[in-house]
Amino acid sequence: AAGVIQSPRHLIKEKRETATLKCYPIPRHDTVYWYQQGPGQDPQFLISFYEKMQSDKGSIPDRFSAQQFSDYHSELNMSSLELGDSALYFCASSQGLGSREQFFGPGTRLTVL
Amino acid sequence: DAKTTQPNSMESNEEEPVHLPCNHSTISGTDYIHWYRQLPSQGPEYVIHGLTSNVNNRMASLAIAEDRKSSTLILHRATLRDAAVYYCILSVDSNYQLIWGAGTKLIIKP
Repeated sequence: AAGVIQSPRHLIKEKRETATLKCYPIPRHDTVYWYQQGPGQDPQFLISFYEKMQSDKGSIPDRFSAQQFSDYHSELNMSSLELGDSALYFCASSQGLGSREQFFGPGTRLTVL
Repeated sequence: DAKTTQPNSMESNEEEPVHLPCNHSTISGTDYIHWYRQLPSQGPEYVIHGLTSNVNNRMASLAIAEDRKSSTLILHRATLRDAAVYYCILSVDSNYQLIWGAGTKLIIKP
């Protein structure tokens, strides 16, 4: 079965640079969630989209922005990168905003030097 | 927001049942209880969820206390592949946001 695809899987950036992470949800899933997991930490919810509109916002820094496109894929844009942004970034998708089951991708490991 | 409390780690023998406890004493009436697990170097994986009644699926069972202040995830017959961090998570009904806490690292001994 098709799963959530995230690209790139690994990304290395310098401080103050920008990064764009991409997420391709499972076909027919219309809801996308972004999570950040720092080293040795638990996942933290960043933001979610339903039918291309932002549905909920968590602890996403102002330096980050995200959107969901017409084909339901989503991009997380990160600017002015800081060392503390180094983390695993997971994308999850679900079918419908009310779905209780989120399907997670393999994650993008971002390292900021 | 309501939070969950779980043991940091638990050990179990292979092919034996495992009961993973979770306390959520400040849960509200519309909060759902979810369990996800995260295997090493992988994204979280949905296990089960419930609101008030006990739930069963092919992976596990979820036993919810009558007052909903605690729940237990039951793996009926643990295998080495079940070794993971198990997260007990509440989601607020109004926005479906998952509120993650510190999970339980489950160690399975052969």
